[in-house]
Amino acid sequence: QQQVKQSPQSLIVQKGGISIINCAYENTAFDYFPWYQQFPGKGPALLIAIRPDVSEKKEGRFTISFNKSAKQFSLHIMDSQPGDSATYFCAAGYSSASKIIFGSGTRLSIRP
Amino acid sequence: DTEVTQTPKHLVMGMTNKKSLKCEQHMGHRAMYWYKQKAKKPPELMFVYSYEKLSINESVPSRFSPECPNSSLLNLHLHALQPEDSALYLCASSQVVVGGTGELFFGEGSRLTVL
Repeated sequence: QQQVKQSPQSLIVQKGGISIINCAYENTAFDYFPWYQQFPGKGPALLIAIRPDVSEKKEGRFTISFNKSAKQFSLHIMDSQPGDSATYFCAAGYSSASKIIFGSGTRLSIRP
Repeated sequence: DTEVTQTPKHLVMGMTNKKSLKCEQHMGHRAMYWYKQKAKKPPELMFVYSYEKLSINESVPSRFSPECPNSSLLNLHLHALQPEDSALYLCASSQVVVGGTGELFFGEGSRLTVL
């Protein structure tokens, strides 16, 4: 029930295309869903986050879509650029606790 | 540049050594964390200090010992480690937000190799 399942494990997208990464969770008590981006040799950094009272959140080229009934959420990267090549982790957490559960990660490569 | 500073960036130690990893943040955050990350895996939470009170992940072996000297400093003491403990150790901090979850700010990590 604590797991967050993430797919795909790796993804190759042409420059200018749309990158889509999906996550699913079991525990309906989760109420905070962030996405972290990690470049090689660096720590993860928060990219965008959503709470379950909204179905979509957009920040620049990055959009989170959230489906509460299906217990799924996804990250869409529009107009993908080579600089977006990184590992992306979805996560889920509780508002009442300083703890989040990470998904398994997706290695995204954007081809020029 | 990251606002969470970790030292050393790289550490090689033998199984009988005692060493420490250090972490510092000056963002006024009251929660600090140690995560372990193996290659191609997500970060795994080891310890959380919230207002200098420790929460422990019960699966973490006792050869890892955290210390929080004050709200801006976090150490991880290492003793009698095993080769399988080789990993990237990440420190993070966050605000303690009432009714919310604070954004985690990660350091760049300490790459540990146990021989």
